[in-house]
Amino acid sequence: GENVEQHPSTLSVQEGDSAVIKCTYSDSASNYFPWYKQELGKRPQLIIDIRSNVGEKKDQRIAVTLNKTAKHFSLHITETQPEDSAVYFCAASRGGSNYKLTFGKGTLLTVNP
Amino acid sequence: EAEVAQSPRYKITEKSQAVAFWCDPISGHATLYWYRQILGQGPELLVQFQDESVVDDSQLPKDRFSAERLKGVDSTLKIQPAELGDSAMYLCASSLGNRGPETQYFGPGTRLLVL
Repeated sequence: GENVEQHPSTLSVQEGDSAVIKCTYSDSASNYFPWYKQELGKRPQLIIDIRSNVGEKKDQRIAVTLNKTAKHFSLHITETQPEDSAVYFCAASRGGSNYKLTFGKGTLLTVNP
Repeated sequence: EAEVAQSPRYKITEKSQAVAFWCDPISGHATLYWYRQILGQGPELLVQFQDESVVDDSQLPKDRFSAERLKGVDSTLKIQPAELGDSAMYLCASSLGNRGPETQYFGPGTRLLVL
């Protein structure tokens, strides 16, 4: 089955700096890669996703890049703010009738004012 | 904005007791998922429904866990008997169910503590 590795497990940055979280996956058939943000005690919420037919996607301060050859994808957050502090999860899924998401173990991002 | 609803939000039980969790997906969402999230880890899929049918329950411990979605709308996840290792957050998610990968929307979860 799919295996998703996520690094680092914790990340501390100063407000205004950039943050980068990296994930690798094992299943070459995976073609959908979402990123979820989970604040303490709250539900995971989708912040951005990318499909295998594109290499990069950007939404304001958040961007995701995908390298299918190397089987890795990354989340980039620029101009970080204290409200960006949360746990971020990457996930991978293949298409077809089973859209099972396999999640990484998460990255605790702390943005220091 | 429509959201996935779950109840109860918190549950404390003693081992060997039975517990049940309820999920109401976003209206019109054909696909429903139950995940278990252990503290400090990502969610892990327990069971996936497409309408009322189970699509994937390969990670569901079937000796003690059961799930149903009888009318293809809301769903119940049951554990009987509960064990100490079942303490975790149980998350429900739903998606439209069209062909191809798509956004899953999560509920607030039920935090289970087994004593």
